[in-house]
Amino acid sequence: ILNVEQSPQSLHVQEGDSTNFTCSFPSSNFYALHWYRWETAKSPEALFVMTLNGDEKKKGRISATLNTKEGYSYLYIKGSQPEDSATYLCAYFSGSARQLTFGSGTQLTVLP
Amino acid sequence: NAGVTQTPKFQVLKTGQSMTLQCAQDMNHEYMSWYRQDPGMGLRLIHYSVGAGITDQGEVPNGYNVSRSTTEDFPLRLLSAAPSQTSVYFCASSPWGKRGDTQYFGPGTRLTVL
Repeated sequence: ILNVEQSPQSLHVQEGDSTNFTCSFPSSNFYALHWYRWETAKSPEALFVMTLNGDEKKKGRISATLNTKEGYSYLYIKGSQPEDSATYLCAYFSGSARQLTFGSGTQLTVLP
Repeated sequence: NAGVTQTPKFQVLKTGQSMTLQCAQDMNHEYMSWYRQDPGMGLRLIHYSVGAGITDQGEVPNGYNVSRSTTEDFPLRLLSAAPSQTSVYFCASSPWGKRGDTQYFGPGTRLTVL
């Protein structure tokens, strides 16, 4: 079983604050690192799929970086809004296993 | 496109009963998978399929069977339900799992086993 760790488990920030979360994963046999956004009572939706060391991806106020050599990825949210409140999941795709292994997520609450 | 659909949305079973959770996708995706979501544990992979006729076990396969007779459908069978199988089940599909493509998730099935 591959170990994918996310921190912190939960986070409360004020509207307008910027924040970031960490995902750590095995650095061997890396194929891809996914980030998903999961709102309560909905299904997870993909934010980013990252495959190359040093990758940086951006979607609006959300961005992510990837370091495959040391096995971590950061997700950043700039100027958090209440609608950003959700659980953010990362998932590691191993080439040998052909399956995604998810972390347990970071639950973000943005207070107005 | 309907995307990934799952039925039923909610189900209550008694211990020992069997049932099938249905999953279908209309995007011609090769890769399909089933996850269960339990509090504090994220999503755990039950079974997956890289194409019609091919299935494999994930992290938590015990008590579940799958088959993939068509590209579109990937049903999950609970053989003899146990209270430990109370969970929310998500089906997902992606174009091809070889490089870890984006997964598209269904709306989930909330299962309670009494």
